Amino acid sequence: QQQVKQSPQSLIVQKGGISIINCAYENTAFDYFPWYQQFPGKGPALLIAIRPDVSEKKEGRFTISFNKSAKQFSLHIMDSQPGDSATYFCAASGWGGGSQGNLIFGKGTKLSVKP
Amino acid sequence: ETGVTQSPTHLIKTRGQQVTLRCSSQSGHNTVSWYQQALGQGPQFIFQYYREEENGRGNFPPRFSGLQFPNYSSELNVNALELDDSALYLCASSPGPTSYNEQFFGPGTRLTVL
Repeated sequence: QQQVKQSPQSLIVQKGGISIINCAYENTAFDYFPWYQQFPGKGPALLIAIRPDVSEKKEGRFTISFNKSAKQFSLHIMDSQPGDSATYFCAASGWGGGSQGNLIFGKGTKLSVKP
Repeated sequence: ETGVTQSPTHLIKTRGQQVTLRCSSQSGHNTVSWYQQALGQGPQFIFQYYREEENGRGNFPPRFSGLQFPNYSSELNVNALELDDSALYLCASSPGPTSYNEQFFGPGTRLTVL
């Protein structure tokens, strides 16, 4: 009920390519879906987030696609760069968890962008 | 505007000891959430503090406890440390306790229990 399932576990993309990471959730009470980027030894940094009233949100090279009926959302990184190499986490929050604001994270996707 | 800071950066303890980790929230934020991130895993919610009161708790035993101070900084205390407590401990601050408020993470404290 509380899980957020993320795939793939790891991803290798050539420079300039498109990186796509997918997440699925079960709890229909979730109403906030952020993506975080984490570099080794650092805390997660908020990349982009979406709420269920829109199906897509774009910020620069990063796009979230959201499918409410399928309970799925995905991150697309266009024109992937070696500097994008990091671990990406999807997350969800909303009523039904320990508190409304606590984030439930996926297990992460390690992205490597080859030059 | 300063971001979220945590101290110490690294800590080594032995099993059975107690530890206190500290977090300073971002200016203007009144809510702090704590997460545990085991190696190779996503962060797991421990608890949240809002205006000095606990405002929700994840699936962690009572030996994990916390405090929030009037300036909204926070402490995480772990008693009777176990080997499995070795992890990166993250705090995140937000301008409010609900899902409508974005959470900003600190760099974390790496705890190693021997």
